Amino acid sequence: QQQVKQSPQSLIVQKGGISIINCAYENTAFDYFPWYQQFPGKGPALLIAIRPDVSEKKEGRFTISFNKSAKQFSLHIMDSQPGDSATYFCAALSGYALNFGKGTSLLVTP
Amino acid sequence: NAGVTQTPKFRVLKTGQSMTLLCAQDMNHEYMYWYRQDPGMGLRLIHYSVGEGTTAKGEVPDGYNVSRLKKQNFLLGLESAAPSQTSVYFCASSYNSIYEQYFGPGTRLTVT
Repeated sequence: QQQVKQSPQSLIVQKGGISIINCAYENTAFDYFPWYQQFPGKGPALLIAIRPDVSEKKEGRFTISFNKSAKQFSLHIMDSQPGDSATYFCAALSGYALNFGKGTSLLVTP
Repeated sequence: NAGVTQTPKFRVLKTGQSMTLLCAQDMNHEYMYWYRQDPGMGLRLIHYSVGEGTTAKGEVPDGYNVSRLKKQNFLLGLESAAPSQTSVYFCASSYNSIYEQYFGPGTRLTVT
């Protein structure tokens, strides 16, 4: 049973546009929400993360918005660039293990 | 500093054969993890370890065994490979559960 639901499955954005990826969860015990970025042929790498006591976290062009009451969080990529083309995974921590969403394949066109 | 390394990078097995995937990390991390990645399924946790000599089951442990005899190494074993185990396997390590997980480059396994 997928504990973290991620959408959309794929996304195409023009260069300079905003990419938005959404995730939802049910387990209120989750207490840490990271986003990982994966390029083809590589392992995932941490992009940005948030704790549930914060509603927003920004690092450069990447922002996480967190809505605790709705049990939803999202990744916004501002001024999207072709180099951002990758697969993005949201995740949520319960105990010792991260529960990953199924991933979003982002393509940023020139 | 090599980070997390995985051996081998590619492997083809016949159904019923066995093999061991090796993960090594040089960051002195306590926690280590094995995931499998299948198209459209995301990353699913197979087994993990919170310290030398400890192992625990993740979401999809059936058909796999693990050992953590040394802090820097985490081995994933397939005793009798099945086509359903065709996947890309990633190892990861971290200081603890709320810290960044560092992933290896992956092992692409095909079982025919």
